[in-house]
Amino acid sequence: AQRVTQPEKLLSVFKGAPVELKCNYSYSGSPELFWYVQYSRQRLQLLLRHISRESIKGFTADLNKGETSFHLKKPFAQEEDSAMYYCALSYNTDKLIFGTGTRLQVFP
Amino acid sequence: NAGVMQNPRHLVRRRGQEARLRCSPMKGHSHVYWYRQLPEEGLKFMVYLQKENIIDESGMPKERFSAEFPKEGPSILRIQQVVRGDSAAYFCASSPRPGRGGNSPLHFGNGTRLTVT
Repeated sequence: AQRVTQPEKLLSVFKGAPVELKCNYSYSGSPELFWYVQYSRQRLQLLLRHISRESIKGFTADLNKGETSFHLKKPFAQEEDSAMYYCALSYNTDKLIFGTGTRLQVFP
Repeated sequence: NAGVMQNPRHLVRRRGQEARLRCSPMKGHSHVYWYRQLPEEGLKFMVYLQKENIIDESGMPKERFSAEFPKEGPSILRIQQVVRGDSAAYFCASSPRPGRGGNSPLHFGNGTRLTVT
């Protein structure tokens, strides 16, 4: 079955430190992977998707099919990055399968 | 564009009552998705609807749950005879065309938090 795993519930770093939010998936075919973010008191919104290979707000994520991972990275965390981050997978359907989310706390 | 509107934000029901959750998609969006988030879990797909049609309800519990998206008005997620296990956050998302999240990004509402006492 398709599954998305985010092993860390909480990740705390200081401002300026590098950040890596882990995401692993299980799917034998070619999935589409996404990162969604939910800032405090705001709605869930798309942060980035692997097919566009873009950097949004300094975040990047590379799909590693060998390790079935799609980790989200940022070299220098900012306080405004504090939020809930969800990794999601889509495969041949219109459904998204979400991980349980990682709360990122960036301290000043 | 006000975005996807869900109401109510919070809903409290006693066991056995009915819960009705409403979702108004973004203007111009005709595809609606409902997700449920149980405590400590990720969002789980429930149902995908287009206007007047249920396209995929593979994530809906077989009993007590139903969804509709009429020609006019919001999409409704209806839970009959609620039980404590139905307590969760219910999110609605819309897209202008079938959205796999990337080609046509899903726009999410703020969710309805249902508490069953």
